[in-house]
Amino acid sequence: AQSVTQLDSQVPVFEEAPVELRCNYSSSVSVYLFWYVQYPNQGLQLLLKYLSGSTLVESINGFEAEFNKSQTSFHLRKPSVHISDTAEYFCAVTITGFQKLVFGTGTRLLVSP
Amino acid sequence: NAGVTQTPKFRVLKTGQSMTLLCAQDMNHEYMYWYRQDPGMGLRLIHYSVGEGTTAKGEVPDGYNVSRLKKQNFLLGLESAAPSQTSVYFCASGTGGYEQYFGPGTRLTVT
Repeated sequence: AQSVTQLDSQVPVFEEAPVELRCNYSSSVSVYLFWYVQYPNQGLQLLLKYLSGSTLVESINGFEAEFNKSQTSFHLRKPSVHISDTAEYFCAVTITGFQKLVFGTGTRLLVSP
Repeated sequence: NAGVTQTPKFRVLKTGQSMTLLCAQDMNHEYMYWYRQDPGMGLRLIHYSVGEGTTAKGEVPDGYNVSRLKKQNFLLGLESAAPSQTSVYFCASGTGGYEQYFGPGTRLTVT
């Protein structure tokens, strides 16, 4: 069965600094990968996804993630964070054609002035 | 277009009481899911449905039951609430193992 590891439970960073949130997965078959964001007291929203094609995927608000098959990773990056990026970020994986997502335990991004 | 809605938003139960959480979606999605979110544990799948009239167990199904009598609704029931079921419950809908759309959550406390 596939699994997702987010090693960092919390990442503090100053505004305008770069950030990387790490995600590693384990699966012996092809996968689809996702990053979801959860703002305080809200549900999860899809941030970006990798299904196929280019291994670098981008979101509309400046985040990007790169699928690295050899390292089984899908790290999330942003070159310059804003206060409004403070949220919890969840990495998720599903086996190609499967019906369910498996989520990591989440990384709380704390952006301070 | 309301997306995914959940009722109620908050609830406090005493141990042994029962309740039903309602999830509704207006996107005509076949798949619906119930998750619980606990600190440090991410989201864990309780039950899910791949279409009207179907249900299946997820990762943590014990103590919960579900029903999908109508395509747009997915009900989660707790027959005899326990303090271990104190959590935030999220419903989601989608088109399979791809993008899922989440509701705003229900915060349940069992005393």
